[in-house]
Amino acid sequence: DAKTTQPNSMESNEEEPVHLPCNHSTISGTDYIHWYRQLPSQGPEYVIHGLTSNVNNRMASLAIAEDRKSSTLILHRATLRDAAVYYCILRESSGGSNYKLTFGKGTLLTVNP
Amino acid sequence: KAGVTQTPRYLIKTRGQQVTLSCSPISGHRSVSWYQQTPGQGLQFLFEYFSETQRNKGNFPGRFSGRQFSNSRSEMNVSTLELGDSALYLCASSGGGSAIDNEQFFGPGTRLTVL
Repeated sequence: DAKTTQPNSMESNEEEPVHLPCNHSTISGTDYIHWYRQLPSQGPEYVIHGLTSNVNNRMASLAIAEDRKSSTLILHRATLRDAAVYYCILRESSGGSNYKLTFGKGTLLTVNP
Repeated sequence: KAGVTQTPRYLIKTRGQQVTLSCSPISGHRSVSWYQQTPGQGLQFLFEYFSETQRNKGNFPGRFSGRQFSNSRSEMNVSTLELGDSALYLCASSGGGSAIDNEQFFGPGTRLTVL
């Protein structure tokens, strides 16, 4: 499985934007980039995913580098409820194995009031 | 729509015993995956079931097994428990089709402690 590299931790202030980076230099052409987050004492939850173009949804934005070797999850205005571990995951685009999520260590985001 | 439910939420067992964990997916979802989460190893994929068949398997010993029923509910069994099996076991369900847009919905997990 292609690997991702994320900073162990990041800190932000409430109401400010947060940019969470992810490096995936060995990404293949058919891999999608997914982000999940895990709030304290909960199971992971889906945040966003993309292939080549930048993506926006109600939770966040995903900016993908032109060479696809890195991406950035953007939380436009961090709230205390966004404090969680954020996981950047590569998923194969086809075949049954795309249901296997390979989690790295993730980035622990702390949001200060 | 009700979310993914897992029972029991907490379990204490002793070494050598066996345990069965249950997962009820979101209504209509046909794919159920299981993950183990520990402080040392993080989140690791165990296996995935789709339409009662195991479709993917992670790198865990044969003591870990699972099954899926016709109503998509799934059980996971661990035999001959070891101390290292203490973990949070998470179940995730998904629509199960081939589209990459099938996000996984996770349950709250079952916290297993092996003494």
